[in-house]
Amino acid sequence: DVKVTQSSRYLVKRTGEKVFLECVQDMDHENMFWYRQDPGLGLRLIYFSYDVKMKEKGDIPEGYSVSREKKERFSLILESASTNQTSMYLCASRPTSGSGGATDTQYFGPGTRLTVL
Amino acid sequence: SQQGEEDPQALSIQEGENATMNCSYKTSINNLQWYRQNSGRGLVHLILIRSNEREKHSGRLRVTLDTSKKSSSLLITASRAADTASYFCASERGSTLGRLYFGRGTQLTVWP
Repeated sequence: DVKVTQSSRYLVKRTGEKVFLECVQDMDHENMFWYRQDPGLGLRLIYFSYDVKMKEKGDIPEGYSVSREKKERFSLILESASTNQTSMYLCASRPTSGSGGATDTQYFGPGTRLTVL
Repeated sequence: SQQGEEDPQALSIQEGENATMNCSYKTSINNLQWYRQNSGRGLVHLILIRSNEREKHSGRLRVTLDTSKKSSSLLITASRAADTASYFCASERGSTLGRLYFGRGTQLTVWP
């Protein structure tokens, strides 16, 4: 089974702190994604990566950066945390396929609930 | 930007009843996927339907896709209390490096 792990289930940080959220997958997937989830807004894509050292902005990249130095690890960085970044953060991975089959699905980690005070 | 919109936002039914959730999307797609999320957890993939398919089944799940109306529906038959969760549709367009466009979800509550 594919396993996607996130470094913390719950995290509390103070405004202005630099925050690192780590995501690791064990299935050699090329594509990895970071979403945030807020009530009533569904999942919004922050950044994604389709290869080591490659990244693409999603719909809400402002205030965030990412790092993908190794294939299995995708880090989300909040350079200076703010209260409006309090949210649930979800990481996902997916192999490169494009055939429309089961490999086109995303595998999600359990999520990190971040609170910024 | 959100690609899909689920309808209804919330659905409450009794065990044994069927639950139908709808999803609309805005542009042409490669496939449409449905995911489930238990409270406070990550999402789990349920079923994928390709743009050239019209209907797909998996156990108690039935998904339909109408590309002319840009809509999909998820039917859960003979629902159980354990089906209580949020359900999201997500569409994949062409040449988007695997990114999905999620809707806002339907919160399904199944009462015993």
